[in-house]
Amino acid sequence: ETGVTQTPRHLVMGMTNKKSLKCEQHLGHNAMYWYKQSAKKPLELMFVYNFKEQTENNSVPSRFSPECPNSSHLFLHLHTLQPEDSALYLCASSQETSWETQYFGPGTRLLVL
Amino acid sequence: AQKVTQAQTEISVVEKEDVTLDCVYETRDTTYYLFWYKQPPSGELVFLIRRNSFDEQNEISGRYSWNFQKSTSSFNFTITASQVVDSAVYFCALSEAGTSGSRLTFGEGTQLTVNP
Repeated sequence: ETGVTQTPRHLVMGMTNKKSLKCEQHLGHNAMYWYKQSAKKPLELMFVYNFKEQTENNSVPSRFSPECPNSSHLFLHLHTLQPEDSALYLCASSQETSWETQYFGPGTRLLVL
Repeated sequence: AQKVTQAQTEISVVEKEDVTLDCVYETRDTTYYLFWYKQPPSGELVFLIRRNSFDEQNEISGRYSWNFQKSTSSFNFTITASQVVDSAVYFCALSEAGTSGSRLTFGEGTQLTVNP
């Protein structure tokens, strides 16, 4: 595997379900990010992790819960989501959080029914 | 506040035409970086270029070229002799200094359609 991978690529869930999105980077980076991309809206930064520590939470509702067990893996745990949470969720990584280029995964397309 | 404006929401061209995607930014930082990313229908954002605020030299990479003009706060992207495979959404982004390091502010993207 190379670059940034995300699983699953597509996910359909009901509002009462609990699911998790997984991101893995094979670039030796130390910073990882979650973004949300909704139709007709700019990319929204959700969370930033640097050396496994969360350094930014961009006022994200608590129904989204990130986890970063090590610098290579990032999870986004989902529970009691709303239909408006349907979007493309993108993971990215960079060498560190200072000016470095972010490299993105293919995203998970989430549909909440 | 940082802001990136891509005024062109959608552009449609015929193959082999040249096309320029506009990007205008606002920042109070003296040190910043500008980026262009390509998002094909598959969804993944593909990194194209990174330029720092002190380097105003234009850059050419194959059919791609970038024009950075600090005086007008613009970082425009030109595709020469466009191809159908260039069809994608293109995002311009600005890296700003945040409390926990830099963060990217994205424009709203330009949907480019290249027709055969």
